[in-house]
Amino acid sequence: NAGVMQNPRHLVRRRGQEARLRCSPMKGHSHVYWYRQLPEEGLKFMVYLQKENIIDESGMPKERFSAEFPKEGPSILRIQQVVRGDSAAYFCASSRTDYGYTFGSGTRLTVV
Amino acid sequence: TQLLEQSPQFLSIQEGENLTVYCNSSSVFSSLQWYRQEPGEGPVLLVTVVTGGEVKKLKRLTFQFGDARKDSSLHITAAQPGDTGLYLCAGDRQGTSGSRLTFGEGTQLTVNP
Repeated sequence: NAGVMQNPRHLVRRRGQEARLRCSPMKGHSHVYWYRQLPEEGLKFMVYLQKENIIDESGMPKERFSAEFPKEGPSILRIQQVVRGDSAAYFCASSRTDYGYTFGSGTRLTVV
Repeated sequence: TQLLEQSPQFLSIQEGENLTVYCNSSSVFSSLQWYRQEPGEGPVLLVTVVTGGEVKKLKRLTFQFGDARKDSSLHITAAQPGDTGLYLCAGDRQGTSGSRLTFGEGTQLTVNP
């Protein structure tokens, strides 16, 4: 009975590199959400996806960030040309309906 | 932008004491959720409250949703060291673009033995 699986747990990237964060939702969950947690701050919504569709990306920075949830495979959050300010914990959550998320353990991105 | 304000931000108490954490907003939410997050892990859902005035109990934890669905509280009775963690409230506004949560900044609770 696997929960929401995120990998990698820790990711170190140099400035200018690309970061790819993966999220496999719980079985039977068709809604996927990405949140970012900066040090000393709460979780901030980034994007809400369903299979092959971006439903709400109002929390995504306009440049360098993109997300997808293909028909097959995990959801991917992609950050191009990372900068130090991108260092944060990125959490994926999934739900079957709109109530009650299950969060993954997160990917901690460090940009050096 | 809907904001959820949690108070207090930090709370350090002795084992056996009672405590209340507050979550307030000027906006109405269709539901409010409480999560607990431990270091290095993702938030874990504790409870969802939906109806104004609703009270839910989970062992020593009591959750209340305000009548106007703008605020909520979490009360812990006889706190134990195992209750230590970051408690987050999150409001759910079901709109046409889907359900996204607005999180409060969290209350870091430390229960000392």
